[in-house]
Amino acid sequence: DAKTTQPNSMESNEEEPVHLPCNHSTISGTDYIHWYRQLPSQGPEYVIHGLTSNVNNRMASLAIAEDRKSSTLILHRATLRDAAVYYCILRDGEKLTFGTGTRLTIIP
Amino acid sequence: GAGVSQSPRYKVAKRGQDVALRCDPISGHVSLFWYQQALGQGPEFLTYFQNEAQLDKSGLPSDRFFAERPEGSVSTLKIQRTQQEDSAVYLCASSLEGWPNEKLFFGSGTQLSVL
Repeated sequence: DAKTTQPNSMESNEEEPVHLPCNHSTISGTDYIHWYRQLPSQGPEYVIHGLTSNVNNRMASLAIAEDRKSSTLILHRATLRDAAVYYCILRDGEKLTFGTGTRLTIIP
Repeated sequence: GAGVSQSPRYKVAKRGQDVALRCDPISGHVSLFWYQQALGQGPEFLTYFQNEAQLDKSGLPSDRFFAERPEGSVSTLKIQRTQQEDSAVYLCASSLEGWPNEKLFFGSGTQLSVL
C-alpha cells in the first residue's frame, strides 16, 4: 500500500474546528482514502473514507485535493471526546496498513 | 447490535506458555482481520480471512503464530511458546465483504503481557 505522512501531534481548543492534514503523494488511482481514530484503550474506529470527491458524514468531513496527493479530515466542532490518535490510510486491497497517526489533544 | 467481541480482555502469560485469543466478529461479516499493536505504535497487520479461508498471512511474525477460522465465523489466534516480544494488544476486525470501500469494525483487543 502507498504511504501517508501525518503530523505526529496537534492541539485544538474545544468547540473549535480541527483540520487534520495527510499527504499521500504516491497514491494510485484505485486507492481509497480512509480515516480511523483510536481512543485510549479501545480499538480503532472508522471515521470516514473517500475516493475522489469530498465526503461528509455525522462525524466529520473529508476534503480531498484535486490531484489526490493530500487530504484533510475536518472535525467541525471538537469536543473532549474527540481526543484520540487519527490515522490516515490508503486502501487498495482488503487490508488496512496503519502508520503512526496524529495524536489530537483537545484543550478545554 | 453487537460489535466485534474479543476475549480475554487481558492475558498474562509466562514465557514459553501457549496462549489462545478469541474473536467473535459481527454476524454475517465475511472478512476477518487480526492486527498486533505494540505500545505507542499503530496496528500492524497479521492475517486475513475470507469466510474460513486464510487468504493472507504475510504479517504473522513467526511460525509460533497461528490463526484459524474453521466455520467462517469465530476466529482464534494462537501463539505458541510465547516470548516477551509478543507482549502487545491483539486486535480483531471484521467487515461485510472486504472491499476497499468498506469500513472495518474493530474489537477492543486483547492485551497480552508475557513475563
